[in-house]
Parts: sequence; C-alpha cells; structure tokens
Amino acid sequence: EAGVTQFPSHSVIEKGQTVTLRCDPISGHDNLYWYRRVMGKEIKFLLHFVKESKQDESGMPNNRFLAERTGGTYSTLKVQPAELEDSGVYFCASSQETQYFGPGTRLLVL
Amino acid sequence: EDQVTQSPEALRLQEGESSSLNCSYTVSGLRGLFWYRQDPGKGPEFLFTLYSAGEEKEKERLKATLTKKESFLHITAPKPEDSATYLCAVQAQDTGFQKLVFGTGTRLLVSP
Repeated sequence: EAGVTQFPSHSVIEKGQTVTLRCDPISGHDNLYWYRRVMGKEIKFLLHFVKESKQDESGMPNNRFLAERTGGTYSTLKVQPAELEDSGVYFCASSQETQYFGPGTRLLVL
Repeated sequence: EDQVTQSPEALRLQEGESSSLNCSYTVSGLRGLFWYRQDPGKGPEFLFTLYSAGEEKEKERLKATLTKKESFLHITAPKPEDSATYLCAVQAQDTGFQKLVFGTGTRLLVSP
C-alpha cells in the first residue's frame, strides 16, 4: 500500500513569490492534516480536512496560507506571497485513526 | 494550553546500553499519546499509541509506557539502526478535534 506522498520534496523561492505544495493521502483516508516545522522548533499543526471540508484550521498562521482539498482526495497548500519566516518543512499526514506522515516538503524562502 | 516536553534533547549510547526517553505532557483530557520515529530527511514514522495510564506497548527493542503525567520510551540493548529522533505527541479529548501536539524530540545516537 502506498504511503502519503508530497510534492515537491524541496522548493527554493524568493520572498514575495507563490509556492504550492501538494499532498496525496493514503487511499481511503478521509482525514488529511498539514503540519509545519520551522528551524529548531517542534512540529506544529496547521489544519485538518475531513474529506473536502475544513474541520480545524486553528493553526493556520495568516491569510497568506490557503489550503484546499478538492473532491476529498489530494490537498494543496498555497503560500502567497511567501515571507522569510515561512521557511521550514511542511508535512502532510492522513488517517482513519492513526496519523501517517509523508516525507515532507522543505521550503526555503530567500 | 496543551504542551509536550521531551528529555533529554540528545542522547548518545553505546550499542547494547539500555536507556529511557521521557515525555512529559499537560493536556485537558488525554485522548491518546503517540510515539513516532523520524530519520533525517524523512517524515515521522508511527511507533505506538497509548490511551490510558498503566498501558504498555512493545515493538522489538522499544517499549512505551504511560502514566497520568508522562510517558517513557525504553530502549533495550539498542543497535546503531535505532539512531533517530524520537517524537512524542498528544491528542486532546475535549475539543473533538484530532490535531497532534508534538514535543521537540530526543535525538538518539547509538554507536557501535
């Protein structure tokens, strides 16, 4: 069974540009989560989808971040415009019960 | 606010030298406590879920235990391949939401 996949694995962009991260969950998992770890800090929750609906977006830092999950399958997280403090590793996880994580997207904003 | 504190930050062991990692937590009603392993450049890999005080789970050289305030991950006779960062996370019961609150992790290095 394929695990959670994320694309791209790395992204380097300049401040002010737009970046879109993609997450493909494990097939059949209704729950999809986005987390982020910035340098030296713990992994922090961003938001939670149940199918295509946002269940909890309390961790989204500001309105420069937009997450979507069309059709309840894959999800995208867009950062527009990117700022220096957005640099970090963005993880996606999916679950029926236990959360299984993808490999992450390493984002560097210069 | 839910909080997880892990200690030590880093631990260096000789192969075969058993030890324990600590995870202290404060949460408004514990739904579950989770242990993950993370290798460099990879995502967290699920190890265990513990739900109630007194519960224990084992997998190969790892054993996780839970009390009302903390969890321990015991590593018995570790091997170099056990080197990784071990993450502890809690899930609160009260809101009904499923987000995980993570600690900063313990970096374990096992030398041959």
